[in-house]
Amino acid sequence: EADIYQTPRYLVIGTGKKITLECSQTMGHDKMYWYQQDPGMELHLIHYSYGVNSTEKGDLSSESTVSRIRTEHFPLTLESARPSHTSQYLCASGQVENQPQHFGDGTRLSIL
Amino acid sequence: QQQVKQSPQSLIVQKGGISIINCAYENTAFDYFPWYQQFPGKGPALLIAIRPDVSEKKEGRFTISFNKSAKQFSLHIMDSQPGDSATYFCAARQNTGRRALTFGSGTRLQVQP
Repeated sequence: EADIYQTPRYLVIGTGKKITLECSQTMGHDKMYWYQQDPGMELHLIHYSYGVNSTEKGDLSSESTVSRIRTEHFPLTLESARPSHTSQYLCASGQVENQPQHFGDGTRLSIL
Repeated sequence: QQQVKQSPQSLIVQKGGISIINCAYENTAFDYFPWYQQFPGKGPALLIAIRPDVSEKKEGRFTISFNKSAKQFSLHIMDSQPGDSATYFCAARQNTGRRALTFGSGTRLQVQP
């Protein structure tokens, strides 16, 4: 069983709020990723990190930001949530570049 | 523009049967082709992966077949079991630039007892 954790699992919140989605892994992986997935649809990379203090934007444009201050922690922040941010957000990690091995169970975000 | 096209969208197979999911791509710069399995309410899990220098890779009941000239690859699940019921995603990674994974749209597999 992979040790990658996301919190919260579900979040329903009003427009304009600041949100932070947490992701932690205990495997010591350097590479971490955030994907966005709408129900029944493919995953789209929105952020990735190859190590501490390294972050890059993915293929899908996102208004969210990320930080990587510690190897095990890769939080995603939305400064002002909007209904268009409603989606599922999946965090992943791996040892090899662009080969995400383990995913968390996701955060289902709903912005009212 | 979808770079990795996956079919079928959904699949129903009887227990013990063979499940086959297909993916096709256009970008010849892809160099790594993984398959992920996702159960409801869970994140995807890496199932099996192949590189274009081999035509087939087998792990237990799961086999990837790769046809480089046709730019197609497929997942075969032998002796399908109800516990295999999940959504399966193929993906491909580009060997240039950012080298990010591009995912297919997913196949929802239901194995009936």
